[in-house]
Amino acid sequence: GAGVSQSPSNKVTEKGKDVELRCDPISGHTALYWYRQSLGQGLEFLIYFQGNSAPDKSGLPSDRFSAERTGGSVSTLTIQRTQQEDSAVYLCASSPSPRGLYTQYFGPGTRLTVL
Amino acid sequence: SQQGEEDPQALSIQEGENATMNCSYKTSINNLQWYRQNSGRGLVHLILIRSNEREKHSGRLRVTLDTSKKSSSLLITASRAADTASYFCATNTGNQFYFGTGTSLTVIP
Repeated sequence: GAGVSQSPSNKVTEKGKDVELRCDPISGHTALYWYRQSLGQGLEFLIYFQGNSAPDKSGLPSDRFSAERTGGSVSTLTIQRTQQEDSAVYLCASSPSPRGLYTQYFGPGTRLTVL
Repeated sequence: SQQGEEDPQALSIQEGENATMNCSYKTSINNLQWYRQNSGRGLVHLILIRSNEREKHSGRLRVTLDTSKKSSSLLITASRAADTASYFCATNTGNQFYFGTGTSLTVIP
């Protein structure tokens, strides 16, 4: 079946511009996660969605970052007024369980470069 | 931070040898998972071990978990060049996952 997809695969933008990153989770998965991975680093948790519950935004690094999940499916991560330190690979993952009892299925990521 | 730490940061071995990498974490967990990442894009789940389990096998992979020491190890036996990748442990507490910084494994043909 189809896995998690993300678009675009690569995004180059100028400092100060806004960007939107999209994630299509696996159909039926109720949990959706966004992570950020800087070059050579581990994954930094950003935000977590579970069904129609209020998202866990505790990992968002600043108010320039926001995310939505429409209809419990597709999610968009928006970064406003991008800065060079926002350059990273942004990874989305979905899971069939909200309680972490199951694995996360990752998308291929969006590589964001802010010039 | 609840983030796990993998050790070593980098490991280089000859094809056919075994590779062992370790993960330490700081808080109580529901489970611990190991993931592989190739070329810095996307992660692939390898194995999950629950907090009440001590050892688990999957093919050439063997994972151990010692909750008293808050540590886990991943053993890859009879390594292959295709095993070259970064390996991450992820601990789960509640709804969140915490990933370590990874071990970069290079298997030399």
